[in-house]
Amino acid sequence: DAMVIQNPRYQVTQFGKPVTLSCSQTLNHNVMYWYQQKSSQAPKLLFHYYDKDFNNEADTPDNFQSRRPNTSFCFLDIRSPGLGDAAMYLCATSRAGTGRKGNQPQHFGDGTRLSIL
Amino acid sequence: AQSVTQLDSQVPVFEEAPVELRCNYSSSVSVYLFWYVQYPNQGLQLLLKYLSGSTLVKGINGFEAEFNKSQTSFHLRKPSVHISDTAEYFCAVVTNSGYSTLTFGKGTMLLVSP
Repeated sequence: DAMVIQNPRYQVTQFGKPVTLSCSQTLNHNVMYWYQQKSSQAPKLLFHYYDKDFNNEADTPDNFQSRRPNTSFCFLDIRSPGLGDAAMYLCATSRAGTGRKGNQPQHFGDGTRLSIL
Repeated sequence: AQSVTQLDSQVPVFEEAPVELRCNYSSSVSVYLFWYVQYPNQGLQLLLKYLSGSTLVKGINGFEAEFNKSQTSFHLRKPSVHISDTAEYFCAVVTNSGYSTLTFGKGTMLLVSP
């Protein structure tokens, strides 16, 4: 089945130690998204790639970076994780909407739960 | 800018009872609307979507939603719930203006008990 795969499912890192989360997709979708979801809250968009075009949300901290080396893979890098960065990180993909409209359904991976020691 | 309000943070209901999860949106332009479900420790799964056309939209797992433009609502309904429907439900909106991304509501936890 075509899908969005996130590795690892659980990640533990130390305060201030860089960490990378990965996402791969077999859907061949143009758009890939990274969300942060804290306990009992809605997912919060960090950034997304429209093909190779990177779009950062205005309130995403500089501590968060992303790379998309090809269509299938996208990485989330947290340069110096703080305790407040402990959360579930969700990757999602979608087709490109007509006229770049974001009206296509997003397909989510199962997330990576990040813990900070 | 668009926004989504889910008035109920939790909705407890007995098995086989009907349920309605409320969603209201705010936007100055036309919108696309979605409902997603999230089971514990999983990602979000699309339940249904409204893009255009018929205002009554049917989704997976027996859920349906009705788009009401005058009331700016997109409430989710199911006539008879199962224990397995216990999950978090998110309403989300995208505006039909340029390129915009999903804005999620805060979610409603549906708790189905026997």
